[in-house]
Amino acid sequence: DAGVTQSPTHLIKTRGQHVTLRCSPISGHKSVSWYQQVLGQGPQFIFQYYEKEERGRGNFPDRFSARQFPNYSSELNVNALLLGDSALYLCASSSPGMAGGKAFFGQGTRLTVV
Amino acid sequence: GNSVTQMEGPVTLSEEAFLTINCTYTATGYPSLFWYVQYPGEGLQLLLKATKADDKGSNKGFEATYRKETTSFHLEKGSVQVSDSAVYFCALPHPGGSYIPTFGRGTSLIVHP
Repeated sequence: DAGVTQSPTHLIKTRGQHVTLRCSPISGHKSVSWYQQVLGQGPQFIFQYYEKEERGRGNFPDRFSARQFPNYSSELNVNALLLGDSALYLCASSSPGMAGGKAFFGQGTRLTVV
Repeated sequence: GNSVTQMEGPVTLSEEAFLTINCTYTATGYPSLFWYVQYPGEGLQLLLKATKADDKGSNKGFEATYRKETTSFHLEKGSVQVSDSAVYFCALPHPGGSYIPTFGRGTSLIVHP
């Protein structure tokens, strides 16, 4: 089975632009979560979606938004990019009752804002 | 809210040395506790977990014991290898009660031959 896949792997954007990051969860997983990992820090929770509904939100500005599709894949959107948005964006999938609800992480999308 | 505090890194050891990475937590109640590992160029992986007080999680020679009296979950390994070089994250569940983890800042481990 494929693991959690994220695209693109690397991305360079200019300040003020918009970006969309994509995540495909493990087959059968209905929950997708997004994290931001700034260099040298631990991942910070941004959003969790379960069954296409937002179930949790971290302390991020409204420039960050996300959605989950009927096939449980997800997009993270960031508007009006700032230099400080440069980070590794991680997606994790999980599902109650599968592997004890354990979260599986993708390899991330490295976003650089210049 | 729930949070974890990890010792600052990097931790630099010679092969076969004993490893301890300290982690303390703040939480309501007695949540599950986790250690995740991030190898260079790879995604985060769950290394081990403990679900209640006095539980010991173990995997790949690593161990951690859930100590509610000291609110700690220190990671230990008796003999590290070069291949253990990675960043280690202590974590506990998001306050919403799910298995979605809330991470510490991470501790980098560098093991020299």
